[in-house]
Amino acid sequence: GAGVSQSPSNKVTEKGKDVELRCDPISGHTALYWYRQSLGQGLEFLIYFQGNSAPDKSGLPSDRFSAERTGGSVSTLTIQRTQQEDSAVYLCASSLVVGPYNEQFFGPGTRLTVL
Amino acid sequence: DQQVKQNSPSLSVQEGRISILNCDYTNSMFDYFLWYKKYPAEGPTFLISISSIKDKNEDGRFTVFLNKSAKHLSLHIVPSQPGDSAVYFCAASDRNNNDMRFGAGTRLTVKP
Repeated sequence: GAGVSQSPSNKVTEKGKDVELRCDPISGHTALYWYRQSLGQGLEFLIYFQGNSAPDKSGLPSDRFSAERTGGSVSTLTIQRTQQEDSAVYLCASSLVVGPYNEQFFGPGTRLTVL
Repeated sequence: DQQVKQNSPSLSVQEGRISILNCDYTNSMFDYFLWYKKYPAEGPTFLISISSIKDKNEDGRFTVFLNKSAKHLSLHIVPSQPGDSAVYFCAASDRNNNDMRFGAGTRLTVKP
């Protein structure tokens, strides 16, 4: 498929465990974003990557959250020592170039449940 | 900080009538606004956008209105169709930032 893909689609984990969420952006898109949507909340910006530039991590809620993007393509969002409040849908999006005026294409999301 | 607010969590409309979804923002630096539509188990998809130099943008059944002085925008869908039933997110961005701020979403239900 040509769209953004994310895996797994669902993840259930125990409090205190680490999780890794994966995002495959649209081929050729240089910008990649991570958001999360908690119950009843809007999409909360977490981090974005632009090409080989240093990522903008300003949205990460704590130092338990980190993300990397290897080879300018696939990205992994890692949450260490998960807490129940980390339960949310984590959405990845990509756009052709970074910038506020560029349409972002979203993946289907990963639903994370921390027990 | 909720810079983009959608105060109506849900809206129900009869098929064929107009749906009006509202959005308010607090950051006067925002100069580009978007509406995304989200079906269950899918990611949001872009619907329509408007730049702050305009006050109206129309695309088929969808029209977005922007009132900069009131820091308010709205999405009009007319005529509404059952397939429009989804969650609609308002988003805003400014030229100095590469991320977008989203509202909490409004769930639209169009009844046949």
